[in-house]
Amino acid sequence: EVQLLESGGGLTQPGGSLRLSCIVSTFSFTSFGMSWVRQAPGKGLEWISFVSVGSGTTYYADSVKGRFIVTRDNSKNTVVLQMNSLTVEDTAVYYCAKSADGVWGRVDVWGQGTVVTVSS
Amino acid sequence: EIVLTQSPATLSLSPGERVTLSCRASQSVAEYLNWYQQKTGQPPRLLIYDTSNRAAGVPARFSGSGSGTDFTLTVSSLEPEDFAIYYCQHRDSWPYTFGQGTKLQI
Repeated sequence: EVQLLESGGGLTQPGGSLRLSCIVSTFSFTSFGMSWVRQAPGKGLEWISFVSVGSGTTYYADSVKGRFIVTRDNSKNTVVLQMNSLTVEDTAVYYCAKSADGVWGRVDVWGQGTVVTVSS
Repeated sequence: EIVLTQSPATLSLSPGERVTLSCRASQSVAEYLNWYQQKTGQPPRLLIYDTSNRAAGVPARFSGSGSGTDFTLTVSSLEPEDFAIYYCQHRDSWPYTFGQGTKLQI
């Protein structure tokens, strides 16, 4: 069973940066894309980034484009979301999400989430 | 960006009842429509993918249908554990977006 473990959340001030990491427990990390999906308090889900198997394709939601960078290290089964120029609107639970093998845009395994709070 | 609109926002039902949730897309997403269930304090869970395919371990009381712009999720007989928030999501093209959710409550 594939498991995802996020880390790196916390409290930061507006304009600050955070680096979220997600370690994936599987031998087949290079079989699927990885994403980050966030959920602001009491709100719905927002898919904010995607990275393909070989990192040749990355997608970002307009709300984070130019501020967030997603990378993956296939040798370490890890995906990272570098978040810069944070605003209070970035306050949310951030979920690491595994795409179904060979299928972009379908999450079949979710992490438990890491909480990011941006506040002065 | 494709906008998904779910209706209704909230449904009050009882165990044993049949329920149909609706998701409408602002433009065609072909069959690329997924459904997720989320319970309080938990991550979402994939229920239905590509309109009508049940994910692994999902009970047969859950079914999906539709095409193009109009989709439904049906629960044939509600169990107590089905009271949760349901989100539709398309994967037709980036950005992948979610509907705003439908809350099933007792």
